[in-house]
Amino acid sequence: GNSVTQMEGPVTLSEEAFLTINCTYTATGYPSLFWYVQYPGEGLQLLLKATKADDKGSNKGFEATYRKETTSFHLEKGSVQVSDSAVYFCALEADTGANSKLTFGKGITLSVRP
Amino acid sequence: KAGVTQTPRYLIKTRGQQVTLSCSPISGHRSVSWYQQTPGQGLQFLFEYFSETQRNKGNFPGRFSGRQFSNSRSEMNVSTLELGDSALYLCASRYRAGTGELFFGEGSRLTVL
Repeated sequence: GNSVTQMEGPVTLSEEAFLTINCTYTATGYPSLFWYVQYPGEGLQLLLKATKADDKGSNKGFEATYRKETTSFHLEKGSVQVSDSAVYFCALEADTGANSKLTFGKGITLSVRP
Repeated sequence: KAGVTQTPRYLIKTRGQQVTLSCSPISGHRSVSWYQQTPGQGLQFLFEYFSETQRNKGNFPGRFSGRQFSNSRSEMNVSTLELGDSALYLCASRYRAGTGELFFGEGSRLTVL
């Protein structure tokens, strides 16, 4: 079946540090890949997405590139801020059509110190 | 445009009871999905409804059920509650099943004592 593996957390960084959060996946076909973010006390929000190999998703300074050869979709940001403190989930959606559903990784908590 | 609204936000139940959670999707969205979020298992898909029909279902026991109404609002029900059902239940909507961005509500946090 489909699965998403994220690096173990939590991650604590100082403000302006470089961020990488690893994500690899297993899926049949050509899934779409997503990063969702969950701020404290809130639901999930879509951060960025990529729908085909070599696509780069970007938003709010975050980037991730769909790498089919390594089945990866690592999240990066060049300079994190305290406001980036949240839980980050990598997800995939394989299958098109009405049976499609999102499969999430376990999430990783990011804390950014001033 | 109003977001996805879930009620209640917090609730406490005891083992053996049942619970019903409600979700109002974004206006115009006809698909509603439900997810269970726990520290141990992360986010797990429960089911998705579109046009009042269940289109997809995750690997949960029959105690977990749902339905969708003609106005696209959805409810999920958990019967015979167990301690392990304590979780944040998230609802998400999108325009139609199987495609498009999911918009999540803030969740209903269920504690089973």
